[in-house]
Amino acid sequence: EVQLVESGGVVVQPGGSLRLSCAASGFTFDSYTMHWVRQTPGKGLEWVSLITWNGDTIYYADSVRGRFTISRDNSKNSLYLHMSSLRTEDTGLYYCAKDLGTSGDHWGQGTLVTVSS
Amino acid sequence: AIQLTQSPSSLSASVGDRVTITCRASQGIANALAWYQQKPGKAPKLLIHDASSLESGVPLRFSGSGSGTDFTLTISSLQPEDFAIYYCQQFHTYPVYTFGQGTKLEIK
Repeated sequence: EVQLVESGGVVVQPGGSLRLSCAASGFTFDSYTMHWVRQTPGKGLEWVSLITWNGDTIYYADSVRGRFTISRDNSKNSLYLHMSSLRTEDTGLYYCAKDLGTSGDHWGQGTLVTVSS
Repeated sequence: AIQLTQSPSSLSASVGDRVTITCRASQGIANALAWYQQKPGKAPKLLIHDASSLESGVPLRFSGSGSGTDFTLTISSLQPEDFAIYYCQQFHTYPVYTFGQGTKLEIK
């Protein structure tokens, strides 16, 4: 059974930093492109970033480029999102996902990030 | 950037009703469209991919159609467990994915 378990969400002040993690199991992690998607009060569902199976290709949404960094450790079956220069509008539920929008699509349960002073 | 506009934003219907939700893209996206269902406290669940392909395990009462700019999700006979929020998503502009704003389906 595919499982994606996010962690690391906390309350952080504007301008602060945070690292989210996603632990994967039940599939061959190092064969898949992985994504971060967030759900915010302001914008609803928003794709954030993707990283290909070997980490060679990475893309970001314009809203986070230059502030967020996606990475993965295939030896640990883990995906990460390092978030810096956080803004109040980054508040939301952050999901990791595989096969986004295609057959086999699977999301974790999400981890909540709150940016507030 | 491509925008997806869903209509209606909310909808009240009864068990057994046939329901249709529309998603319109601001530019043509071929068939690069997916539909999701989200229930409270849960992650979105894929129902339809490639505009009309039913994801494995999804009940046959769900169907999708359309191509280009106009797409529909149809539930042929509403069941109690179908009351949820539905989202469309496009990936024609890979690697940028875009979601619609959602349609809340409520019990009448």
